[in-house]
Parts: sequence; structure tokens; C-alpha cells
Amino acid sequence: RKEVEQDPGPFNVPEGATVAFNCTYSNSASQSFFWYRQDCRKEPKLLMSVYSSGNEDGRFTAQLNRASQYISLLIRDSKLSDSATYLCVVTANTGNQFYFGTGTSLTVIP
Amino acid sequence: SAVISQKPSRDICQRGTSLTIQCQVDSQVTMMFWYRQQPGQSLTLIATANQGSEATYESGFVIDKFPISRPNLTFSTLTVSNMSPEDSSIYLCSVEWPSGRANTGELFFGEGSRLTVL
Repeated sequence: RKEVEQDPGPFNVPEGATVAFNCTYSNSASQSFFWYRQDCRKEPKLLMSVYSSGNEDGRFTAQLNRASQYISLLIRDSKLSDSATYLCVVTANTGNQFYFGTGTSLTVIP
Repeated sequence: SAVISQKPSRDICQRGTSLTIQCQVDSQVTMMFWYRQQPGQSLTLIATANQGSEATYESGFVIDKFPISRPNLTFSTLTVSNMSPEDSSIYLCSVEWPSGRANTGELFFGEGSRLTVL
């Protein structure tokens, strides 16, 4: 079983729509959780960390459900510039291993 | 934040040859990570490069195929040896920043080295 699993999509949504991505992780002792964004032919960059209490950054909301072992990312009022691949990242409880999901592709359509 | 310079940005190589990728960080970091991202796939950790000791390789990756150097706290190289077309991929250097705080930092990546093996 993979450490991190994501729906690869693609998600094609109109501008202004709300879209949500989910990600599940297999290790119940996982320590930290992140969403990274990767633009085409670019390196991944941190979008936001995911805290147990949930956190919001502008149009982006991330939530963690430890009981069900999943994290989510909600994007409201989608912009064309949100088009990218969104990577779910989970860290192990030991060492410095970061586990990446396969990514969810989002295309926002005018 | 940490700024990472990686080179070459891309290369086309012949089967059986080797290529060394360089990674320079603008700050001293304890560990540097080498990832591979194959077409349409996510990132897979190849190894962790520790200064002053041998690199730690993940399952499926071996030192003979991917030798790593880490001569100081700001620099590392990854060599892809005896290349085959299956090695065609993007190779990414990464550091965690702030350094030394396990799993609490942000991962910063170099721009990647896109390798094509003919």
C-alpha cells in the first residue's frame, strides 16, 4: 500500500468554482502534513501546511482528519492561475522522510 | 528560505554513460535530499546526503548506480551511472529549511535536472 494516495484527476473546473481534493495516508503515526503545488515543468513549492485544527490562507483551506487518516484542500473562487498539480505530502514519525502523493491535476477554465 | 541552484537543467545522454548533477544551497544544511520524478509520476526519494558520512539510500536505489558526494554543508552531487532509457527522468535536489528540525521545516527544491537517455 502506498504511503500517500491521491486522486490524480484531472479536475477541470470553471473560473470561480470551488474545488476540493482529498488525500489519504497509511501510517497512523505520521507527523506533519503539507500541500505542495507544482506548475508544469517546475519544481514543487509549499502551498500550505496542514494543522490538526485546520487552517485557512485566503481562498485555500486545509484540513486534517487523523481518525480517518486523510487531509483535504479546498480552493474557493478558483482562478486561472490556480491551474497546477497539487501534491499531498506526509512526513514519517521518524527521520526526515517526506512522502509525496502522485498529485492531483487542476485546470481552471475561463 | 533556502535558495538552491541545480545544474545541469537538462541534458541528453547516450546509453551507458554517466552524468553528474550538482546542487548548491545558499545556506548550510544538515541533510540534502535527492528525488526522482518520472514522467507523470510523483517524487520518489533516492537518497539522503549527509555531510561527513555515507548517503542513506531508499529501497530500490543503490550506491553503485547513484553515487552521491557531500563534501560540505552547502553542496552535493548525484551521479547517474551507466544510464539506460529507464533513467530518463527529472532529478531534484531538496533541503528542509529551517534545517535540523526534523519534519517541521519546509522542503525547498532546486529547479530540477531533466535527463533524457537515448
